[in-house]
Amino acid sequence: EIMMTHSPATLSVSPGERATLSCRASQSVSGNLAWYQHRPGQAPRLLIYGASTRAAGIPARFSGSGSGTEFTLTISSLQSEDFAVYYCQQYNNWPLTFGGGTKVEIK
Amino acid sequence: EVQLLQSGGGLVQPGGSLRLSCTASGFTFSTYIMSWVRQAPGKGLERVSGISASGDTTYYADSVKGRFTISRDNSKNTVYLQMDSLRAEDTAIYYCAKAAVADKHYYDYWGQGTLVTVSS
Repeated sequence: EIMMTHSPATLSVSPGERATLSCRASQSVSGNLAWYQHRPGQAPRLLIYGASTRAAGIPARFSGSGSGTEFTLTISSLQSEDFAVYYCQQYNNWPLTFGGGTKVEIK
Repeated sequence: EVQLLQSGGGLVQPGGSLRLSCTASGFTFSTYIMSWVRQAPGKGLERVSGISASGDTTYYADSVKGRFTISRDNSKNTVYLQMDSLRAEDTAIYYCAKAAVADKHYYDYWGQGTLVTVSS
């Protein structure tokens, strides 16, 4: 099973600042990596697939990069609605696995 | 507009059973892989089970294999998760999710979630 590890576990950021979230895979997942945003009481929301492609309707302030084992989600200027937990998910190998998440909180 | 409307869930004793349902609209249900993903209290996301578009192939996490059964009725645009021999560690919010494209298992639409509590 491929383990997905987020860093940091919690990120404290002020509104308007840039946030950089990392996700590492225990073995290569090529570019088969998705990012989700999960707000309390809501369903997860797909942000990025294919490591760097924004999903439909996702603002341009969200960007993804990386391949193989190292991936990054960048939020260029945090808005109030962006404070949430972010998960990466690999879909290159069975079983599909999610990381434990990075919580982005207000500084 | 794509919608996934979940039902079922609730409180059940250890060893008991529950069935979750997820009814889809707004897309051609019969052409997409569907999955169930859960989030236990204070934990991250775990994909529990998945089913191919035709229903002939199913996938289970090791943690539920032999206890949970996924199925679908394409005539009713509904996917089900039959959960038997439930354990306390199955307590979680369960989401149904639609695969974004036919052969890639990432999810572009999710149900509203339903809480399953296993407790005596």
